[in-house]
Amino acid sequence: AQSVTQPDIHITVSEGASLELRCNYSYGATPYLFWYVQSPGQGLQLLLKYFSGDTLVQGIKGFEAEFKRSQSSFNLRKPSVHWSDAAEYFCAVVLYGQNFVFGPGTRLSVLP
Amino acid sequence: EAGVAQSPRYKIIEKRQSVAFWCNPISGHATLYWYQQILGQGPKLLIQFQNNGVVDDSQLPKDRFSAERLKGVDSTLKIQPAKLEDSAVYLCASRRTSGSHNEQFFGPGTRLTVL
Repeated sequence: AQSVTQPDIHITVSEGASLELRCNYSYGATPYLFWYVQSPGQGLQLLLKYFSGDTLVQGIKGFEAEFKRSQSSFNLRKPSVHWSDAAEYFCAVVLYGQNFVFGPGTRLSVLP
Repeated sequence: EAGVAQSPRYKIIEKRQSVAFWCNPISGHATLYWYQQILGQGPKLLIQFQNNGVVDDSQLPKDRFSAERLKGVDSTLKIQPAKLEDSAVYLCASRRTSGSHNEQFFGPGTRLTVL
């Protein structure tokens, strides 16, 4: 069955530490891939997206993500986390001509 | 440009009551979506409009949920009668077109609590 998984429900990191949030998908073809962030009481904001080409994509707020076809993964990374990065992060996939499917989300907490 | 607007931001009702949510997408965006986001889960698509026509409502519980986008601009989502399990955040999103490359822009959502 087609699915998007985010194995980590909740991650806690210290401010200044590096971050990696995992996303895996199960689709017959390579979908378009997105990462969104949702701060408390807010809608979702696009961090970055991958359609084709260079497998390392840069996004806003210092985030980047790497697409690995062999692992069906699209992990989100940030070298140094800021307290303002505390939020919920969603991976989403789109197959051509179909609608978005969102993962369950990973909640990020940042320790001072 | 102005973002996606939604109202109300919060709503508390009792089960079996009715409720309506309103969404005004970004100007010029032909595609509009309503999502349901239950606490601790990712958004789940309820319905997609292209202009004023429904493209996908396969996951909309049509016995109690309805939605319309009469003039191809703003949209309303209604629940009648509400159940406890309808407690969630209802997100509206819009895109310039439905092409897969196009970004979705989300509104702040309406948090519904059904008692």
